[in-house]
Parts: sequence; C-alpha cells; structure tokens
Amino acid sequence: GAGVSQSPSNKVTEKGKDVELRCDPISGHTALYWYRQSLGQGLEFLIYFQGNSAPDKSGLPSDRFSAERTGGSVSTLTIQRTQQEDSAVYLCASSLPGTSGGVLPTDTQYFGPGTRLTVL
Amino acid sequence: QKEVEQNSGPLSVPEGAIASLNCTYSDRGSQSFFWYRQYSGKSPELIMSIYSNGDKEDGRFTAQLNKASQYVSLLIRDSQPSDSATYLCAVRANDYKLSFGAGTTVTVRA
Repeated sequence: GAGVSQSPSNKVTEKGKDVELRCDPISGHTALYWYRQSLGQGLEFLIYFQGNSAPDKSGLPSDRFSAERTGGSVSTLTIQRTQQEDSAVYLCASSLPGTSGGVLPTDTQYFGPGTRLTVL
Repeated sequence: QKEVEQNSGPLSVPEGAIASLNCTYSDRGSQSFFWYRQYSGKSPELIMSIYSNGDKEDGRFTAQLNKASQYVSLLIRDSQPSDSATYLCAVRANDYKLSFGAGTTVTVRA
C-alpha cells in the first residue's frame, strides 16, 4: 500500500519568508510525528499528534514553528520568518495506534521521504 | 550528555566481515530500542527492534541489549556492499518519543 508521502521534496526559500511542509500519513495511522534532521545529525523530535488528543509540541524549537493536523490525517508544518539555521531535512512519520487502545502508539514508525529545506 | 550516543564512525569493513555498531543511552527507564538504516538521501527504515535483555537475530542482523549497562548494539554478519548506509540507534522511554543517536556510517568494501 501507499507509504507516508511528503511535499514538496525540496524547498528553497529566502530568509524571512514563510514555508509550509505537508505530510500525508499511511491510511489508518492515527499517530503522526515531525522530525528534523540537520546535516550529519540524528533526528530531532518536533511534534506529535495522536488522534484527537492535544498535540505534543514540546520539540518545536521556537514560536516560529507550528503544525496542524486536519481531520486526523494530513498534517502541515509551518515555519514563519525562516532563518538559515532552519535549513534541514524535515521528516514525517506515522504509526498505528496502541494495541491497548490507549494513548501510546505501537512501535514501528514509518517515515516519509522528507522535505529538504534550504534557507538562503 | 546526549540521550543517545553512537560510535562516531565512519566504519569501513570488507565484504563478508562482521560490522559492529554500538549505542549507549542515558535514560535508565528506556523500554524500547530500535535500529534504523538510512541510505544517503533517503528516509530511515526500521531494521530491528529489541525490548528485552539478550540477543535478537533477524537474518544477518543481530541486536544485543544490556539494560544494566544501558547499551545496545547491532551486528551485521556477512556484510554486503548493499549494507553501506548510516545506521541510527533510537531509544524510547515510556512515552511515544524516540530519541535518536547521530548515526554511524558504514561502508562495506567489495
């Protein structure tokens, strides 16, 4: 079946502009994550959505970053007034809900291909 | 101290040899441990997960976990050129967040 999709695959923008990155999770996956990967670094957690629960925004690096998830499916990560240090690959992942029916998702996170953001 | 640390690499091994990757973590309450493989320019893909102390084998891959030492490793036997990639160690405590190491780049020489 279809995996996680992200768009655009590449985005080049000028410092100070706003950008929107899109993630389409695997159908039926209620958990959705955004990560950021800077060159040569591991993945940095940004935000987590689980069903209709309030998102965990604790990883967002500044108030210029925001994300929403409409209808429990597609998510958009918005970066306002971009800075050069925002340049990175932004990865989205999704996973199934917890088998207990509770809040925690099952373990396997499936990653999308990422959006490479370059801020000039 | 970083939450998850990996041997920095890069690691170069000849084809057919064993590649050994190490990872340590700081949160003693961590419950789930994962190894992801990431080819250059691609997204990470899960290759192993381990939850209990000991070894877990899957094909040419063996994950080893020692919670007392806060250590998890990945062995790749009979390394192939197609194993050349960056391997990311990820650890989860008792919530949904994964903490990733910076990765170890492995190159398998033909």
